[in-house]
Amino acid sequence: DAKTTQPNSMESNEEEPVHLPCNHSTISGTDYIHWYRQLPSQGPEYVIHGLTSNVNNRMASLAIAEDRKSSTLILHRATLRDAAVYYCILNSGYSTLTFGKGTMLLVSP
Amino acid sequence: DADVTQTPRNRITKTGKRIMLECSQTKGHDRMYWYRQDPGLGLRLIYYSFDVKDINKGEISDGYSVSRQAQAKFSLSLESAIPNQTALYFCATSDSPGLTSTDTQYFGPGTRLTVL
Repeated sequence: DAKTTQPNSMESNEEEPVHLPCNHSTISGTDYIHWYRQLPSQGPEYVIHGLTSNVNNRMASLAIAEDRKSSTLILHRATLRDAAVYYCILNSGYSTLTFGKGTMLLVSP
Repeated sequence: DADVTQTPRNRITKTGKRIMLECSQTKGHDRMYWYRQDPGLGLRLIYYSFDVKDINKGEISDGYSVSRQAQAKFSLSLESAIPNQTALYFCATSDSPGLTSTDTQYFGPGTRLTVL
């Protein structure tokens, strides 16, 4: 299975942008890059996904490197409610997801 | 109402007891999954089902069994619970990939199971 590498933790201040990196050097051409997050005491929730082009939605933006070997999840203005574990996962749609340990985002007021 | 529900939400049981965790979904998805999460770790896949007649083992299926009773229902059983099965269990669903879907998974709220 194609794997991803993320920092164990990151810190941010409220109202500041946050850039969460993910490396996936063994990504295949059919893999989508998915991001999920898990708030404390809750199940994971979908955040955003992309294939080659940068993507925006109401929750975040996803910037994908031209060679697709890395991506960055961007939270434009972090809030306390964004404190969570963020998972970067490769998904071809024809197998199952593999969750790593993700990045724990700490947001300070 | 939640799209993916799990019952019970919390359960304390004793070693050797049979336990069933249930998952129901109203999203109309074909695919369903059971994961467990231990403290400080990511989710690990136990079993998954891509349609009603399909059952597949995941990364850590030993000690567990599942039943896909209908498209909307997927149950996880621990035939003889042991303490190292104490964990948080999540059910998830996804639609089959296609022109308008990329297999995004939707998770239930979780069941906290403690085996004494």
